Amino acid sequence: EDQVTQSPEALRLQEGESSSLNCSYTVSGLRGLFWYRQDPGKGPEFLFTLYSAGEEKEKERLKATLTKKESFLHITAPKPEDSATYLCAVQAANSNSGYALNFGKGTSLLVTP
Amino acid sequence: DSGVTQTPKHLITATGQRVTLRCSPRSGDLSVYWYQQSLDQGLQFLIQYYNGEERAKGNILERFSAQQFPDLHSELNLSSLELGDSALYFCASSPSSNTEAFFGQGTRLTVV
Repeated sequence: EDQVTQSPEALRLQEGESSSLNCSYTVSGLRGLFWYRQDPGKGPEFLFTLYSAGEEKEKERLKATLTKKESFLHITAPKPEDSATYLCAVQAANSNSGYALNFGKGTSLLVTP
Repeated sequence: DSGVTQTPKHLITATGQRVTLRCSPRSGDLSVYWYQQSLDQGLQFLIQYYNGEERAKGNILERFSAQQFPDLHSELNLSSLELGDSALYFCASSPSSNTEAFFGQGTRLTVV
């Protein structure tokens, strides 16, 4: 069964204090790994898609990387507006759920001034 | 704004009742997904439609059903509601099945 585990569950950073969020996955053939940001009471906002090990993508202070077993979301010099829950999801190549995304439970990030 | 529209934003109803949630996908997107998000379970996949046809099912209860209409909007029907059905229900759309999905703002369902 496909599994996605995110750590830590919660992270508190000072503004400017860089860190990384982890997403470990077990999937029967990875089609894609997705990162989303979710603010309280809102829908998830798409950030990145990674397709193969070694791939990296960047957007402003965020950088996502992918290995065969995990993905990292690196946050460089975060600002308070980066506070949100970050969700990781995998799309399996062979799944009874078709192309649906299988989400982890997320990492709740709080960046304080 | 993702371009995915969900109505209503909030819904309060009693146990045993039936409700319908509506989703309008982004212009041109053929694939629609429904997800349920509760505090303890996270985002759970319910069902996917592609161009009007059911494509995949997740852990969707038999009391729940969905459809996608010729204009590509979708509806999720929840019947015989229980307290445990209280959650955020999200719709997402994508151009095809194997690309990133864009989420609406959700419908918060409260069953009392």
